[in-house]
Amino acid sequence: QLVLTQSPSASASLGASVKLTCTLSSAHSSYAIAWHQQQPGKGPRYLLKVNSDDTHNKGDGIPDRFSGSSSGAERYLTISSLQSEDEADYYCQTWGTLWVFGGGTKLTVL
Amino acid sequence: QVQVVQSGGEVKKPGASVTVSCRASGYIFTDYYIHWVRQAPGQGLEWMGWISPNSGGTDYAQKFQGRVTMTRDTSISTAYMELSRLRSDDTGIYYCVRVGSGTCGPWGQGTLVTVSS
Repeated sequence: QLVLTQSPSASASLGASVKLTCTLSSAHSSYAIAWHQQQPGKGPRYLLKVNSDDTHNKGDGIPDRFSGSSSGAERYLTISSLQSEDEADYYCQTWGTLWVFGGGTKLTVL
Repeated sequence: QVQVVQSGGEVKKPGASVTVSCRASGYIFTDYYIHWVRQAPGQGLEWMGWISPNSGGTDYAQKFQGRVTMTRDTSISTAYMELSRLRSDDTGIYYCVRVGSGTCGPWGQGTLVTVSS
């Protein structure tokens, strides 16, 4: 069964960097995933796609502070130079015709 | 600019059906899929399915098979999601999102569906 696992919460200081993790079920470790951001009270916004070959493709208008990477079954979202508006829920999601979402990570900017 | 704009909120009684629309503009409607995602109050995102505006083909999440129907009207660049036999736990915000072969977005603004007797 295709499962994406995320830590429920993360925190980092203003101006610092944070790396969020999304783990694919072992049988699906070659899958690409997408990351979406949902700020409080708003709808989701697509950030980027992370491929299994460690490349990523950002959405239109997404700042360079956001980047993606991968290692094995893990897919990462790195946010550098954290700003207050980065405080949000972050969801990973499988890329393809069948979508599965991770449970989301709530990021707190200290 | 590229936009997908959804219809307004709905209040329905248990057992009824609801239809949410998603009107696209700023791009060729038939070149991109439309996926539907819902979010229950205070919960995460849940995928419901997709429609190909080009062919009309669909694929639904198993959970919604038999209750959801996705259609489109290419003449007005609009996709529709109908959910039938509504229950209280269908209450939530329903989103459409444009999806291409290597890109995703924008998301619609969301449509709140409230199921209450």
